[in-house]
Amino acid sequence: AQSVTQPDIHITVSEGASLELRCNYSYGATPYLFWYVQSPGQGLQLLLKYFSGDTLVQGIKGFEAEFKRSQSSFNLRKPSVHWSDAAEYFCAVGLSGNTGKLIFGQGTTLQVKP
Amino acid sequence: NAGVMQNPRHLVRRRGQEARLRCSPMKGHSHVYWYRQLPEEGLKFMVYLQKENIIDESGMPKERFSAEFPKEGPSILRIQQVVRGDSAAYFCASSPLREPSDTQYFGPGTRLTVL
Repeated sequence: AQSVTQPDIHITVSEGASLELRCNYSYGATPYLFWYVQSPGQGLQLLLKYFSGDTLVQGIKGFEAEFKRSQSSFNLRKPSVHWSDAAEYFCAVGLSGNTGKLIFGQGTTLQVKP
Repeated sequence: NAGVMQNPRHLVRRRGQEARLRCSPMKGHSHVYWYRQLPEEGLKFMVYLQKENIIDESGMPKERFSAEFPKEGPSILRIQQVVRGDSAAYFCASSPLREPSDTQYFGPGTRLTVL
């Protein structure tokens, strides 16, 4: 069955430090991969997505992610974290076929220390 | 272009009552998805609809839950005879196409509390 694993439930980094959020997926076909961010009490906003081409994807707010097929991973990175990046981050896999449903990981909560 | 709209934002129901959650997709979007987020968990797919059609309801509980997306008006997620375990945030998303690579745009969610 398809699944997405985000191994880190909570991460705390200092403002200005670099960030990497891990995401591993299990899916037999070519995956369509997404990172969303959710601020408290809000809906989800798309940060970036991968579906083909260059395996390093640039997104909004200075985020990037790299697709590594050999490791079944799609880790999210940011070189310098800002206090406003504190939020919950979700990795998701889109399934091929007639349905466009997304399979989400359980999320990683990011805290930013001043 | 207004985003995905959901109402109400917060809904309180007593056990046994009905809950109706509404979702208006973005203009030009004809594909609607409903997801449920239980406390401390990620989002779980419930149902995928197009206008007047349910395409995939594999994530819907077998009883008490139903969804529709009529020709006119918003999509409705209906929960009959609510129980405490239904307390969650319910998110609606819409997309213009149904390609798996297509972006789904999420609404702010409806937070249902069952007393």
